Amino acid sequence: SQTIHQWPATLVQPVGSPLSLECTVEGTSNPNLYWYRQAAGRGLQLLFYSVGIGQISSEVPQNLSASRPQDRQFILSSKKLLLSDSGFYLCAWTRGAENEQYFGPGTRLTVT
Amino acid sequence: GENVEQHPSTLSVQEGDSAVIKCTYSDSASNYFPWYKQELGKRPQLIIDIRSNVGEKKDQRIAVTLNKTAKHFSLHITETQPEDSAVYFCAASSDYKLSFGAGTTVTVRA
Repeated sequence: SQTIHQWPATLVQPVGSPLSLECTVEGTSNPNLYWYRQAAGRGLQLLFYSVGIGQISSEVPQNLSASRPQDRQFILSSKKLLLSDSGFYLCAWTRGAENEQYFGPGTRLTVT
Repeated sequence: GENVEQHPSTLSVQEGDSAVIKCTYSDSASNYFPWYKQELGKRPQLIIDIRSNVGEKKDQRIAVTLNKTAKHFSLHITETQPEDSAVYFCAASSDYKLSFGAGTTVTVRA
């Protein structure tokens, strides 16, 4: 069966510091991968998605970036965090364009 | 791009009653419509989905209906229980992406 991992689970970072969040999927190959952010009490905002190694599509312009160095690894990064970057970051995967999408356990980021 | 609207934003029901959440979408090319349940502090969990070649799908106490002509779909929860209290999100699939509604906070009163 497939499993999706995210780490760290929680993170507290000062404004201006860098960020690296990692997501990996086990038990499947060539998944579509997604990064979402959820502000407290809000909906799901799609940040980036990837349909293959090295391919990244950005949904919103901001100080975040994503990379996919391996087939089942997706990384979210920032060079300098803003207060507004606080939130619940969720990674998700799916097999194809219109198939079930499953979320990882999430990383709760607080920027102070 | 796809735009999904979800109503109501909050819903309070008496235990045992039914709950209905409605969503509309804009992109006629969308043909996959999942529903997610998110409990406080947890990840969204897929609870049911429907594809455009099906008008209705049921799984125990939950059911989803789809009207492609009108571009709307609905989630029905019957015989609600306290554990149904959560935030529910609808979504529509277009161009490899899911577009989510804003969510409905469902509270089941004992």
